[in-house]
Amino acid sequence: AQSVTQLGSHVSVSEGALVLLRCNYSSSVPPYLFWYVQYPNQGLQLLLKYTTGATLVKGINGFEAEFKKSETSFHLTKPSAHMSDAAEYFCAVSWPFAGFQKLVFGTGTRLLVSP
Amino acid sequence: EAQVTQNPRYLITVTGKKLTVTCSQNMNHEYMSWYRQDPGLGLRQIYYSMNVEVTDKGDVPEGYKVSRKEKRNFPLILESPSPNQTSLYFCASSLSTASGGESTDTQYFGPGTRLTVL
Repeated sequence: AQSVTQLGSHVSVSEGALVLLRCNYSSSVPPYLFWYVQYPNQGLQLLLKYTTGATLVKGINGFEAEFKKSETSFHLTKPSAHMSDAAEYFCAVSWPFAGFQKLVFGTGTRLLVSP
Repeated sequence: EAQVTQNPRYLITVTGKKLTVTCSQNMNHEYMSWYRQDPGLGLRQIYYSMNVEVTDKGDVPEGYKVSRKEKRNFPLILESPSPNQTSLYFCASSLSTASGGESTDTQYFGPGTRLTVL
């Protein structure tokens, strides 16, 4: 069955440090890939998505992610963390045989940013 | 402003007392979906709707009902709530699918409804 794995339920970084949040999927069919962010007491907001074309995708707030088919990964990065990046991040995928509408989410990674 | 709204935002109820959580979008989206979010489990899809009068089960539909009589509204109904339905619920919508079901549309999420069933 298709699945999404986010390694690490919590990631802690210092302000100004590199942010790396990991996401791997299992599927023989290339999916569409998404990263969503959830700030405290808010809904989910799309950070970025990969569908086709260039494998390095840039999103909002300085985040980017690279689709690596050989590694079935879509890790999220940001060169320099800011205090305002503290939130929960969800990787999600969708597949063509489900009409691309059905999103399957990872379990989430909470990013903690210390001064 | 384009948005997905949910009501109520917070609800505390008792076992067995029927309740409805409303969801409305003003973007003329065809696709709508309900998710529940639980710690350590991420978001799981409850039900979805491809268009008016077209609904289908997601991954965790037991104990829930939905209806889609109008394009903009997609209420979630709990006929007899139980404590294991205590959760944070999100409604989402997207523009929809062309023929063949392929779409790159983003799903827009509502602010969430925190439900506690005692």
